[in-house]
Formats: sequence, structure tokens, C-alpha cells
Amino acid sequence: DAKTTQPPSMDCAEGRAANLPCNHSTISGNEYVYWYRQIHSQGPQYIIHGLKNNETNEMASLIITEDRKSSTLILPHATLRDTAVYYCIVKVDKIIFGKGTRLHILP
Amino acid sequence: EAGVAQSPRYKIIEKRQSVAFWCNPISGHATLYWYQQILGQGPKLLIQFQNNGVVDDSQLPKDRFSAERLKGVDSTLKIQPAKLEDSAVYLCASSQETVSYEQYFGPGTRLTVT
Repeated sequence: DAKTTQPPSMDCAEGRAANLPCNHSTISGNEYVYWYRQIHSQGPQYIIHGLKNNETNEMASLIITEDRKSSTLILPHATLRDTAVYYCIVKVDKIIFGKGTRLHILP
Repeated sequence: EAGVAQSPRYKIIEKRQSVAFWCNPISGHATLYWYQQILGQGPKLLIQFQNNGVVDDSQLPKDRFSAERLKGVDSTLKIQPAKLEDSAVYLCASSQETVSYEQYFGPGTRLTVT
């Protein structure tokens, strides 16, 4: 399985875009990139996933580089409710969570 | 739609005692997962069921942990006997058979072993 590298923590001002990076330099051609988040005392929540193309849904956008070795999750207008641990996962069939990035939204 | 239900939400036991957790997945979800999340770490998959059958239990400590999913709906996870290192949050998740990347998680059961 491809390994992912994420910064342990990040800060973002409320109302600004939060850009969470993820490196996955050993990703294989058939491995998807998934993002989940976990708000304190809750179970993880699926956000978005992608293979090659950039993806957008009501929660976030996912930008995958052309060589697929890294990606960025974008929360366009961060709110205090977006404070959570964000997990970047690369896998074909099984979700494996790392330690993620703890995102703090600053008022 | 109703989410994944788990009970109890909290449990405190002494080491060497036994404990059981219950999970009711989202209606119609064929796949059910049990995860263990130790403080400060991401969730670790313990076991995955597809309907009644076990798909993956490679990380389940089978000498003390057991799980079943009767009739392909509810599931129970048991620990017997518990050790101090079993203190963690136990999360249940479910997904549709054809959309396995989108897992829906329950609130979890926080287990403290003293």
C-alpha cells in the first residue's frame, strides 16, 4: 500500500480557504486517494475521493497533481466546525488510517 | 436516514474481565467494519464483514477478540479477557456493497480497562 505523509497540524483563519497537503509518492496507478475527517469525539466522516482528475463536492475540492504523487484537500471557506483531524488515505480496497493532520480553525 | 448505532457509549472494566459491544449498521448496508482507535492514532481495522461472512480479520487478536454478525445485520464485538492495552474507542462502520470507500461511522464505544 502506498504510504501517505501529512503535516501533523495546521492552522487556518475562519472564512479563509484551508489547503491540506498530502504526499503519496509511491502511489500505484490503480490506487485512489481518499479523504476522511474526524471531529472530536465522533467517528470519521468521508469527505471526497479521486483517482486522477480533480474532484469537487459540497464539502470540499480535491486537487491531484498530474504525476499523482501528491494531492491537496481544499475547504473553500473554513468555519469553526471544520476543526478536526483530516486523514489522507491511498488504497485499492481497504481504508487504512494514518495519524492525519489536525486542523485548527482560528476565529 | 438513521445512522450507525452503537452501544454502550462508555464502558469501564477491570483487566481480565470480559466486555461486549453492539453495532446496528445503516439499513441495507451489506458491509460492516469494526475499528479500534487508540488515543492519538487513526482507527485500525479489526474485522470486516460482508453480509454474514468475514472478509478480513487479519488484525483481530483472535486469542481474546471475537466478533459475529448474525443474519447479516447487527454485530457484536467481544473481548475476553481484557488487557490494559485494550483501552481505546471501538468504532463500528458500514457501507454499501458497491460503495465501500464511503464508510459511515457510529459514535464509538470508549472502553477503559483498569
